[in-house]
Amino acid sequence: AQTVTQSQPEMSVQEAETVTLSCTYDTSESDYYLFWYKQPPSRQMILVIRQEAYKQQNATENRFSVNFQKAAKSFSLKISDSQLGDAAMYFCAYRSGEYGNKLVFGAGTILRVKS
Amino acid sequence: KAGVTQTPRYLIKTRGQQVTLSCSPISGHRSVSWYQQTPGQGLQFLFEYFSETQRNKGNFPGRFSGRQFSNSRSEMNVSTLELGDSALYLCASSPPGLAVTYEQYFGPGTRLTVT
Repeated sequence: AQTVTQSQPEMSVQEAETVTLSCTYDTSESDYYLFWYKQPPSRQMILVIRQEAYKQQNATENRFSVNFQKAAKSFSLKISDSQLGDAAMYFCAYRSGEYGNKLVFGAGTILRVKS
Repeated sequence: KAGVTQTPRYLIKTRGQQVTLSCSPISGHRSVSWYQQTPGQGLQFLFEYFSETQRNKGNFPGRFSGRQFSNSRSEMNVSTLELGDSALYLCASSPPGLAVTYEQYFGPGTRLTVT
């Protein structure tokens, strides 16, 4: 079974600074997809960024980028120019390349942004 | 386009009762997945329905069941409620097609409290 580990229960960052959230996963599959989701206090889950395992290039979405190290099974999220609106719980998630939409989530990292 | 809607948003039930939660996916989406979120266990996959058929199932007891209707709306049912079933239940829908890179769009959740 696949597992996802987020070792940082909580992180803080100063507004306009950069922060990196860590995520490692365990799988024996070669075809899979990785995601970072954001859950603000409203509890609405929002997709931040996704990475296909077969792509070597790290995904980037505006201020959000990932460092995908397939051999190390590591998938960290970098948030640049942090904004107050980035404060939320961030979840790393794994999805098998097999048929279906099941997501395996990590425990989450609470991100606090200081003004 | 309207987002994923879940009803009711809040629910209080007594131990031993049963409950039915509803999820209406985004128009045109045929896949609906359900997740349970608790402080202790985090986010856990319950099951996924695609074209009225259960496609994936998580490790939950048989008290948890679901179904999907021809219009893609889905319901999940929990029978003989236990205190530990208190959680936020999230529903997510995905666009048609088999591509696993498709994003899952989450609803706002139903907060179930069992007393």
